[in-house]
Amino acid sequence: QVQLQESGPGLVKPSETLSLTCSVSGASVSSRDYYWGWVRQPPGKGLQWIGNIYYSGNTYYNPSLRGRLTISVDTSKNHFSLKLSSVTAADTAVYYCARLNGGYDLPLDYWGQGTLVTVSS
Amino acid sequence: SSELTQDPAVSVALGQTVRITCQGDSLRSYFASWYQQKPGQAPILVIYDKHNRPSGIPDRFSGSLSGNTASLTITGAQAEDEADYYCNSRDTSGKLLVFGGGTKLTVL
Repeated sequence: QVQLQESGPGLVKPSETLSLTCSVSGASVSSRDYYWGWVRQPPGKGLQWIGNIYYSGNTYYNPSLRGRLTISVDTSKNHFSLKLSSVTAADTAVYYCARLNGGYDLPLDYWGQGTLVTVSS
Repeated sequence: SSELTQDPAVSVALGQTVRITCQGDSLRSYFASWYQQKPGQAPILVIYDKHNRPSGIPDRFSGSLSGNTASLTITGAQAEDEADYYCNSRDTSGKLLVFGGGTKLTVL
């Protein structure tokens, strides 16, 4: 049974860096069959793709976040992480981590439960 | 980059059939996936690779693609199908992903 679990601070101050980790069980982040990604959802709004990482370390970022975003993978701990710098209130959202099946359209077949991150002083 | 456009809201009578659509240029090259999200819950995948269903998803859910429009059809909608539905696909470059704005389905 594949499970993903987000962890990290629920409150971040403006201009600081948001850091989240996604712990994976039941699957390996080293697998060539999957990508690993992040999606966020501001309160009352739709889903926004943040970015993906492959086991090799290749990353793919939403252009609107590029420059502030870093996604990394730690194969020894079987987890991957997100760092978003210079946050503002607009970055307040529920952040989900997900596994992307390496098929033609990269479906997100397993999701974490999500974690709410609020940006506020 | 590209966008995926969905109708904000759709309603269907209990037991009837409803189609939720997703339009975008990237769909001429790539398939769409569909996700169901209920309040306070994470999304779940209901259709991938245009028309495939993950295990555990009822067969009343089906997907199709015509031109630049992907469709999610629920045949015989049930009360538990009331939820937000999102499509997603690769963008026109093929390297990035994009989500539609979501469709709120109400089952009357």
